[in-house]
Amino acid sequence: DVKVTQSSRYLVKRTGEKVFLECVQDMDHENMFWYRQDPGLGLRLIYFSYDVKMKEKGDIPEGYSVSREKKERFSLILESASTNQTSMYLCASSPFGGANTGELFFGEGSRLTVL
Amino acid sequence: AQKITQTQPGMFVQEKEAVTLDCTYDTSDQSYGLFWYKQPSSGEMIFLIYQGSYDEQNATEGRYSLNFQKARKSANLVISASQLGDSAMYFCAMREGREYGGATNKLIFGTGTLLAVQP
Repeated sequence: DVKVTQSSRYLVKRTGEKVFLECVQDMDHENMFWYRQDPGLGLRLIYFSYDVKMKEKGDIPEGYSVSREKKERFSLILESASTNQTSMYLCASSPFGGANTGELFFGEGSRLTVL
Repeated sequence: AQKITQTQPGMFVQEKEAVTLDCTYDTSDQSYGLFWYKQPSSGEMIFLIYQGSYDEQNATEGRYSLNFQKARKSANLVISASQLGDSAMYFCAMREGREYGGATNKLIFGTGTLLAVQP
């Protein structure tokens, strides 16, 4: 069964802390994504990666960075957490190209609270 | 710019009745894909149904069907015979980029519709 695993379901951090959100997929997918979900705003793309060490900005990259050193792992980094980064973070993966529809496979989400 | 619009923040439906969740989209691409996801209170995103822009038939998956009206740029989700377990947030999404064989498969999402099924 396909699986995307996010390391923490719930995190509470202080303003200014460095925060790492980890995501691992076991499907050998090329593409990986980080979305942020907020009420009334839906899901917004922060960053995505289509290959190891490759990354591209999404719609709201400010205040975030990412790392993809291995194909199966995609990390989201908040260099200095702020209260407006309190949110649900969703990681997803998908295979690249081919005959696939482009369906994203999601992790269970990480709910981050910054105090 | 590509955009997905879901105008219904929340809806009620009686158990066993059908319900339609609205979704309109805006794109200048000729090739695109449309998706619906379900998010129960537990938080996971569950893929429901997919419609390709060149698919002539409306997609169906069990009790879910996608009413695709290309000229109107709408992709409404129809749930037949609603069940209590259908209570969830529903998101419409569109794949940006080219058709198969090269897309990086970014999806843009609408703001969601919260569906409550009443017994």
